[in-house]
Amino acid sequence: EPEVTQTPSHQVTQMGQEVILRCVPISNHLYFYWYRQILGQKVEFLVSFYNNEISEKSEIFDDQFSVERPDGSNFTLKIRSTKLEDSAMYFCASRAGTGGEQYFGPGTRLTVT
Amino acid sequence: GQQVMQIPQYQHVQEGEDFTTYCNSSTTLSNIQWYKQRPGGHPVFLIQLVKSGEVKKQKRLTFQFGEAKKNSSLHITATQTTDVGTYFCAGPAGGNNRKLIWGLGTSLAVNP
Repeated sequence: EPEVTQTPSHQVTQMGQEVILRCVPISNHLYFYWYRQILGQKVEFLVSFYNNEISEKSEIFDDQFSVERPDGSNFTLKIRSTKLEDSAMYFCASRAGTGGEQYFGPGTRLTVT
Repeated sequence: GQQVMQIPQYQHVQEGEDFTTYCNSSTTLSNIQWYKQRPGGHPVFLIQLVKSGEVKKQKRLTFQFGEAKKNSSLHITATQTTDVGTYFCAGPAGGNNRKLIWGLGTSLAVNP
């Protein structure tokens, strides 16, 4: 069964450093998402991406964040200068385009020290 | 802004007891989705409800969408330890699923 994959599973970085989180969505899906979840809290929408551009973004997704789909398969989230409060689990999700079901990857746990 | 509220936040039950979580939106939804997240895992899609008053069943799980399309519920009959996890409802902002607004989730613990 096709699945969304994410790498790395855990990233530790120092405050102020740049990180890139990688995702490979399901191959025939058209819509891509990044979410974050602080431990024990709800899932928070960050950004959605369709047709090679951002279609929606949340208040969290400020100038420190960017997304790319550089090669037609990978979907990346970059945080330019990490802050302590960026520590969270980051989930990538994709959707085929028909219906609402989103398929989530296993997540990347980002720890900023 | 649009909000999705879920209650209760936590629920402990004995195995075999029933469980219900409720979801309320501040605005009318075009659809509502339910996801389950096991401890340490990622959200997994359970179901989507679209029609006013819709009821769908998946084995011991019953999902309802309110007549006004602003509330929904998930009921589990005779819980099992495999039901442990957090159940989230999520509704689209703007009606086109580009952005989902998520509830806080209900964490279910089942005592064997």
